[in-house]
Amino acid sequence: DSGVTQTPKHLITATGQRVTLRCSPRSGDLSVYWYQQSLDQGLQFLIQYYNGEERAKGNILERFSAQQFPDLHSELNLSSLELGDSALYFCASSVDLTSGLYNEQFFGPGTRLTVL
Amino acid sequence: GDSVTQMEGPVTLSEEAFLTINCTYTATGYPSLFWYVQYPGEGLQLLLKATKADDKGSNKGFEATYRKETTSFHLEKGSVQVSDSAVYFCALRSKTSYDKVIFGPGTSLSVIP
Repeated sequence: DSGVTQTPKHLITATGQRVTLRCSPRSGDLSVYWYQQSLDQGLQFLIQYYNGEERAKGNILERFSAQQFPDLHSELNLSSLELGDSALYFCASSVDLTSGLYNEQFFGPGTRLTVL
Repeated sequence: GDSVTQMEGPVTLSEEAFLTINCTYTATGYPSLFWYVQYPGEGLQLLLKATKADDKGSNKGFEATYRKETTSFHLEKGSVQVSDSAVYFCALRSKTSYDKVIFGPGTSLSVIP
Protein backbone atom coordinates (compact mmCIF):
# COMPACT_ATOMS: atom_id res chain seq x y z
CA ASP A 1 0.00 0.00 0.00
CA SER A 2 1.58 3.24 -1.22
CA GLY A 3 -0.50 5.50 0.99
CA VAL A 4 -2.04 7.25 -2.03
CA THR A 5 -5.77 6.69 -2.38
CA GLN A 6 -7.90 7.16 -5.45
CA THR A 7 -11.64 7.03 -5.87
CA PRO A 8 -13.57 5.58 -7.51
CA LYS A 9 -11.81 2.37 -8.59
CA HIS A 10 -14.00 1.97 -11.63
CA LEU A 11 -16.16 4.42 -13.53
CA ILE A 12 -18.40 3.65 -16.47
CA THR A 13 -20.05 6.52 -18.27
CA ALA A 14 -21.30 7.63 -21.68
CA THR A 15 -19.80 9.86 -24.34
CA GLY A 16 -20.37 13.55 -23.74
CA GLN A 17 -20.55 13.17 -19.98
CA ARG A 18 -18.34 14.72 -17.29
CA VAL A 19 -16.62 12.86 -14.45
CA THR A 20 -14.42 13.75 -11.49
CA LEU A 21 -11.61 11.56 -10.24
CA ARG A 22 -10.28 12.08 -6.75
CA CYS A 23 -6.84 11.55 -5.26
CA SER A 24 -5.55 11.82 -1.70
CA PRO A 25 -1.75 11.98 -1.50
CA ARG A 26 0.40 10.40 1.16
CA SER A 27 0.45 12.28 4.41
CA GLY A 28 2.99 15.09 4.14
CA ASP A 29 3.38 14.95 0.36
CA LEU A 30 2.92 18.34 -1.28
CA SER A 31 3.16 17.36 -4.94
CA VAL A 32 0.44 15.52 -6.82
CA TYR A 33 0.79 14.20 -10.36
CA TRP A 34 -1.84 12.83 -12.73
CA TYR A 35 -1.08 10.24 -15.41
CA GLN A 36 -3.14 8.52 -18.08
CA GLN A 37 -2.33 4.94 -19.06
CA SER A 38 -3.84 3.54 -22.23
CA LEU A 39 -2.91 0.66 -24.49
CA ASP A 40 -2.01 2.82 -27.45
CA GLN A 41 -0.40 5.81 -25.69
CA GLY A 42 1.34 4.13 -22.78
CA LEU A 43 1.83 6.11 -19.58
CA GLN A 44 1.40 9.81 -20.22
CA PHE A 45 2.00 12.62 -17.75
CA LEU A 46 -0.97 14.96 -17.58
CA ILE A 47 -0.40 17.59 -14.92
CA GLN A 48 1.35 18.33 -11.64
CA TYR A 49 0.30 20.41 -8.64
CA TYR A 50 2.48 21.54 -5.81
CA ASN A 51 0.93 22.86 -2.63
CA GLY A 52 -2.20 24.00 -4.42
CA GLU A 53 -0.60 25.53 -7.49
CA GLU A 54 -0.17 24.12 -10.96
CA ARG A 55 3.51 23.30 -11.50
CA ALA A 56 3.82 21.51 -14.82
CA LYS A 57 1.60 20.45 -17.69
CA GLY A 58 2.02 17.51 -19.97
CA ASN A 59 -0.26 16.07 -22.62
CA ILE A 60 -3.47 17.21 -21.02
CA LEU A 61 -6.43 17.96 -23.25
CA GLU A 62 -8.35 21.22 -22.90
CA ARG A 63 -11.41 19.15 -21.95
CA PHE A 64 -9.52 18.01 -18.85
CA SER A 65 -8.72 20.11 -15.83
CA ALA A 66 -7.41 19.54 -12.34
CA GLN A 67 -7.03 21.28 -9.04
CA GLN A 68 -5.43 20.73 -5.68
CA PHE A 69 -7.29 21.81 -2.57
CA PRO A 70 -5.97 23.30 0.69
CA ASP A 71 -6.04 19.86 2.32
CA LEU A 72 -3.80 18.74 -0.60
CA HIS A 73 -6.22 16.29 -2.15
CA SER A 74 -6.61 16.66 -5.88
CA GLU A 75 -9.37 16.21 -8.40
CA LEU A 76 -9.12 15.55 -12.13
CA ASN A 77 -12.15 16.66 -14.11
CA LEU A 78 -12.80 15.12 -17.51
CA SER A 79 -15.56 16.61 -19.62
CA SER A 80 -17.19 16.01 -23.01
CA LEU A 81 -15.91 12.48 -22.74
CA GLU A 82 -15.00 10.54 -25.87
CA LEU A 83 -14.48 6.82 -26.41
CA GLY A 84 -10.74 7.43 -26.61
CA ASP A 85 -10.67 8.77 -23.07
CA SER A 86 -11.17 5.25 -21.76
CA ALA A 87 -8.01 4.52 -19.79
CA LEU A 88 -6.50 3.96 -16.39
CA TYR A 89 -5.86 7.25 -14.59
CA PHE A 90 -3.16 7.26 -11.96
CA CYS A 91 -2.39 9.80 -9.31
CA ALA A 92 1.05 9.95 -7.70
CA SER A 93 2.49 12.04 -4.91
CA SER A 94 5.94 12.98 -3.72
CA VAL A 95 7.40 14.77 -0.78
CA ASP A 96 8.92 18.04 -1.79
CA LEU A 97 9.57 19.79 -5.05
CA THR A 98 12.80 21.44 -3.92
CA SER A 99 14.61 18.14 -3.49
CA GLY A 100 12.52 16.71 -6.25
CA LEU A 101 15.06 14.89 -8.36
CA TYR A 102 15.72 12.27 -5.71
CA ASN A 103 12.20 11.80 -4.46
CA GLU A 104 10.32 8.85 -5.76
CA GLN A 105 6.71 9.21 -6.71
CA PHE A 106 4.23 6.99 -4.91
CA PHE A 107 1.40 5.82 -7.12
CA GLY A 108 -2.19 5.20 -6.24
CA PRO A 109 -4.06 2.09 -7.49
CA GLY A 110 -5.70 4.04 -10.30
CA THR A 111 -9.20 4.72 -11.54
CA ARG A 112 -10.32 2.73 -14.55
CA LEU A 113 -12.55 4.88 -16.74
CA THR A 114 -14.69 3.26 -19.40
CA VAL A 115 -16.55 5.52 -21.82
CA LEU A 116 -19.33 3.77 -23.74
CA GLY B 1 13.10 17.04 -25.07
CA ASP B 2 13.88 14.35 -22.55
CA SER B 3 12.89 10.81 -23.47
CA VAL B 4 13.29 7.17 -22.48
CA THR B 5 13.54 4.18 -24.81
CA GLN B 6 13.06 0.59 -23.71
CA MET B 7 13.40 -2.72 -25.46
CA GLU B 8 10.21 -3.94 -27.03
CA GLY B 9 8.31 -6.68 -25.31
CA PRO B 10 6.71 -8.89 -24.44
CA VAL B 11 9.54 -10.90 -22.92
CA THR B 12 8.90 -14.52 -21.94
CA LEU B 13 11.43 -16.38 -19.80
CA SER B 14 11.58 -19.65 -17.95
CA GLU B 15 11.91 -19.59 -14.18
CA GLU B 16 15.54 -19.09 -13.02
CA ALA B 17 16.59 -17.56 -16.35
CA PHE B 18 18.70 -14.39 -16.51
CA LEU B 19 16.83 -11.18 -17.26
CA THR B 20 18.02 -8.06 -19.03
CA ILE B 21 15.70 -5.24 -20.03
CA ASN B 22 17.49 -2.51 -21.94
CA CYS B 23 16.82 1.15 -21.27
CA THR B 24 18.46 4.21 -22.82
CA TYR B 25 17.64 7.83 -22.24
CA THR B 26 18.04 11.28 -23.72
CA ALA B 27 18.28 14.18 -21.31
CA THR B 28 20.11 17.42 -20.78
CA GLY B 29 22.25 17.48 -17.68
CA TYR B 30 22.15 14.80 -15.04
CA PRO B 31 18.77 13.17 -14.58
CA SER B 32 17.78 10.75 -11.86
CA LEU B 33 16.88 7.33 -13.23
CA PHE B 34 14.25 4.89 -12.00
CA TRP B 35 12.76 1.50 -12.66
CA TYR B 36 9.10 1.10 -11.75
CA VAL B 37 7.16 -2.17 -11.80
CA GLN B 38 3.45 -2.64 -12.37
CA TYR B 39 1.97 -5.96 -11.28
CA PRO B 40 -1.31 -7.04 -12.89
CA GLY B 41 -4.22 -4.91 -11.71
CA GLU B 42 -2.06 -2.63 -9.58
CA GLY B 43 -0.44 0.79 -9.69
CA LEU B 44 3.24 1.43 -10.28
CA GLN B 45 5.79 0.77 -7.56
CA LEU B 46 9.34 2.04 -7.45
CA LEU B 47 11.71 -0.91 -7.92
CA LEU B 48 15.05 0.90 -7.76
CA LYS B 49 16.70 4.20 -8.53
CA ALA B 50 20.08 5.84 -9.18
CA THR B 51 20.77 9.53 -8.88
CA LYS B 52 24.25 9.98 -10.35
CA ALA B 53 26.65 8.38 -12.81
CA ASP B 54 28.00 4.94 -11.84
CA ASP B 55 25.43 4.55 -9.06
CA LYS B 56 23.96 1.07 -8.86
CA GLY B 57 20.39 0.71 -7.72
CA SER B 58 19.30 -2.67 -6.38
CA ASN B 59 16.20 -4.21 -4.84
CA LYS B 60 14.62 -7.69 -4.66
CA GLY B 61 17.49 -9.19 -6.67
CA PHE B 62 17.15 -6.62 -9.48
CA GLU B 63 20.04 -4.29 -10.33
CA ALA B 64 20.67 -1.39 -12.69
CA THR B 65 23.74 0.79 -13.12
CA TYR B 66 23.60 4.43 -14.23
CA ARG B 67 25.95 4.61 -17.24
CA LYS B 68 26.35 8.20 -18.35
CA GLU B 69 28.78 7.38 -21.16
CA THR B 70 26.24 5.15 -22.86
CA THR B 71 23.15 6.96 -21.47
CA SER B 72 21.81 3.61 -20.29
CA PHE B 73 20.17 2.10 -17.23
CA HIS B 74 19.63 -1.58 -18.06
CA LEU B 75 17.67 -3.72 -15.61
CA GLU B 76 19.08 -7.15 -14.71
CA LYS B 77 18.19 -10.07 -12.49
CA GLY B 78 20.18 -13.23 -12.22
CA SER B 79 17.31 -15.67 -11.66
CA VAL B 80 13.71 -14.66 -12.33
CA GLN B 81 10.69 -16.12 -10.58
CA VAL B 82 7.08 -16.50 -11.69
CA SER B 83 6.21 -13.72 -9.24
CA ASP B 84 8.37 -11.30 -11.26
CA SER B 85 5.82 -11.36 -14.07
CA ALA B 86 4.83 -7.72 -14.50
CA VAL B 87 5.35 -4.66 -16.68
CA TYR B 88 8.62 -2.81 -16.08
CA PHE B 89 8.98 0.92 -16.78
CA CYS B 90 12.25 2.78 -17.07
CA ALA B 91 11.91 6.45 -16.17
CA LEU B 92 13.87 9.63 -15.65
CA ARG B 93 13.38 12.86 -13.80
CA SER B 94 15.33 16.01 -14.60
CA LYS B 95 15.24 19.73 -14.07
CA THR B 96 14.75 20.28 -17.81
CA SER B 97 11.58 18.21 -17.66
CA TYR B 98 10.35 20.41 -14.83
CA ASP B 99 10.66 17.60 -12.33
CA LYS B 100 8.00 15.44 -13.88
CA VAL B 101 8.83 11.80 -14.42
CA ILE B 102 9.16 10.71 -18.03
CA PHE B 103 8.40 7.05 -18.55
CA GLY B 104 9.46 4.63 -21.22
CA PRO B 105 6.77 2.57 -22.96
CA GLY B 106 7.12 -0.36 -20.56
CA THR B 107 8.29 -3.93 -21.12
CA SER B 108 5.96 -6.78 -20.28
CA LEU B 109 7.68 -9.78 -18.66
CA SER B 110 6.11 -13.21 -18.34
CA VAL B 111 7.96 -15.89 -16.38
CA ILE B 112 6.79 -19.44 -16.94
CA PRO B 113 7.46 -22.36 -14.55
